[in-house]
Amino acid sequence: DTGVSQNPRHKITKRGQNVTFRCDPISEHNRLYWYRQTLGQGPEFLTYFQNEAQLEKSRLLSDRFSAERPKGSFSTLEIQRTEQGDSAMYLCASQASGQETQYFGPGTRLLVL
Amino acid sequence: DQQVKQNSPSLSVQEGRISILNCDYTNSMFDYFLWYKKYPAEGPTFLISISSIKDKNEDGRFTVFLNKSAKHLSLHIVPSQPGDSAVYFCAARFTGNQFYFGTGTSLTVIP
Repeated sequence: DTGVSQNPRHKITKRGQNVTFRCDPISEHNRLYWYRQTLGQGPEFLTYFQNEAQLEKSRLLSDRFSAERPKGSFSTLEIQRTEQGDSAMYLCASQASGQETQYFGPGTRLLVL
Repeated sequence: DQQVKQNSPSLSVQEGRISILNCDYTNSMFDYFLWYKKYPAEGPTFLISISSIKDKNEDGRFTVFLNKSAKHLSLHIVPSQPGDSAVYFCAARFTGNQFYFGTGTSLTVIP
């Protein structure tokens, strides 16, 4: 399977714990996006990488959130000191330069108790 | 502020009939529009797109119409099939590669 993969698919954690999610994009795609989706809403943009450079961040991305893409391939999204309001589906998407279409992974569903 | 709006949370259509899903936007700087389809427990899957310089794009059973003066786009599915039952999101690209999504419309195609 050469699509976008995300791990883990599900994560349950207690409030105050740190969690880290991983996204592996389609190999030739140099752009990578993170989104958050809550019930009844569409995906909300969090951040965007072109290769290893983080080019844009949403105001939704508080200082408890950090994302990296160290070698321009896979990316990680870490949430520190999780809060119940962080419970959501976290989606990753990749895109090739010059193309407008993003390809989404299956998402990581986070539940903060 | 919701810059992309899908005002119909759900739509039911008989198999073989036309499904019309609507989307409105507020930002005239959006330059590209996309429709995604989402099944439960999966990420959104790209369906069809249109550039802001066009007013129609067709791909098989799917056609997207863009009315820039009204800041409105629609997705037509003809004929509708039960496998089309899913949540449909419209999305718009702002210059700088930020994408804004609507809240989705759940389509049910009744056999």
